[in-house]
Amino acid sequence: GAGVSQSPRYKVAKRGQDVALRCDPISGHVSLFWYQQALGQGPEFLTYFQNEAQLDKSGLPSDRFFAERPEGSVSTLKIQRTQQEDSAVYLCASSLRRDRPNTEAFFGQGTRLTVV
Amino acid sequence: ELKVEQNPLFLSMQEGKNYTIYCNYSTTSDRLYWYRQDPGKSLESLFVLLSNGAVKQEGRLMASLDTKARLSTLHITAAVHDLSATYFCAVENSGGSNYKLTFGKGTLLTVNP
Repeated sequence: GAGVSQSPRYKVAKRGQDVALRCDPISGHVSLFWYQQALGQGPEFLTYFQNEAQLDKSGLPSDRFFAERPEGSVSTLKIQRTQQEDSAVYLCASSLRRDRPNTEAFFGQGTRLTVV
Repeated sequence: ELKVEQNPLFLSMQEGKNYTIYCNYSTTSDRLYWYRQDPGKSLESLFVLLSNGAVKQEGRLMASLDTKARLSTLHITAAVHDLSATYFCAVENSGGSNYKLTFGKGTLLTVNP
């Protein structure tokens, strides 16, 4: 596709439910990021992949959050036992670069997760 | 821990006026990014500032970076309604993790006719 694609665009989950959010990066992009953006705030770094390797997961808020990118392309962010504080927009970004990937990164439109 | 502070957080301007958004950060870095976000949309990259003294301009927007002062500015000249959006600055951690961005809270800009 032409850009970074995320699905679903909107997700409503009952508290305690597990959810899976998908990111299709731009074809050939090596680097992939996940961010969490709470309402009225800037995005916060969650995790970073280079190909299939998860190089940094220091931003994941708890062990209920898990991300994978098994074939170095599509990535899934999974949240187990969702809580209300998980309500946010989850943004994915990808870049062709390994070194300084932010200099040429493209963001998806995000998945808005609402936990009720 | 790197902290990024933007001000103002809310800015209401009249068309045709000039204004500056400020972005201060707490630790050494030489890479700073500005993004625009429209409501319900994703982030659009505006400027990448890669060194001290860097200045970039696109249309009515101009961004600069002073790494000694740990300050970047986004200057808006003769604002038009189309510039209404939220603007974020983000600072890249220096050192080993040269991919991690820390964002400011954003400046919600409204340009009124």
